[in-house]
Amino acid sequence: DTAVSQTPKYLVTQMGNDKSIKCEQNLGHDTMYWYKQDSKKFLKIMFSYNNKELIINETVPNRFSPKSPDKAHLNLHINSLELGDSAVYFCASSQDFGGRAFFGQGTRLTVV
Amino acid sequence: AQTVTQSQPEMSVQEAETVTLSCTYDTSESDYYLFWYKQPPSRQMILVIRQEAYKQQNATENRFSVNFQKAAKSFSLKISDSQLGDAAMYFCAYRTYSATSGTYKYIFGTGTRLKVLA
Repeated sequence: DTAVSQTPKYLVTQMGNDKSIKCEQNLGHDTMYWYKQDSKKFLKIMFSYNNKELIINETVPNRFSPKSPDKAHLNLHINSLELGDSAVYFCASSQDFGGRAFFGQGTRLTVV
Repeated sequence: AQTVTQSQPEMSVQEAETVTLSCTYDTSESDYYLFWYKQPPSRQMILVIRQEAYKQQNATENRFSVNFQKAAKSFSLKISDSQLGDAAMYFCAYRTYSATSGTYKYIFGTGTRLKVLA
């Protein structure tokens, strides 16, 4: 069973469109994250949720809206997509004890 | 603010040889976790090794080991007997705790691309 799964793996869309990326974890973790990896491979945190509650919003444009319907899911909705949004988006989860973060396989978003 | 620095954008190693990837970090915390993650072309983020700051003993996982120097805030990764499958981006990461938010986040270095030469 995949611990953290994201869908879709690839997403190609036009500027101005609205799109969503889904994430689910079956590890029972309390905390989930969204990270953005740019073309230079730099990984930067976007959001952190703990028990469905937004904890961290790292100066991300408000076109990005995370939604956590329950503790196991954290979806990312992006409005009015721009060329600069093209990147790989990673979902991750962690538990306080143990330390490590588990990552999904990433979603490569290409805005044309 | 905590930062993680990987000063080697790219490294090469001959198959079966040993290579060391460097990582330094900045923090005022006394207890924390450090990690090395591997990202092959498949882009999956794979945990290689983890070190708890309160443990003085360096972590080891098969061919992978770390040299953790807490006072120097240094956390290097040594790969012994390098294999072609070790070729990937390697990211050093630090887990920090925010007392105001009551949660953790992971800060990553800029990565080191490792090439393994046959």
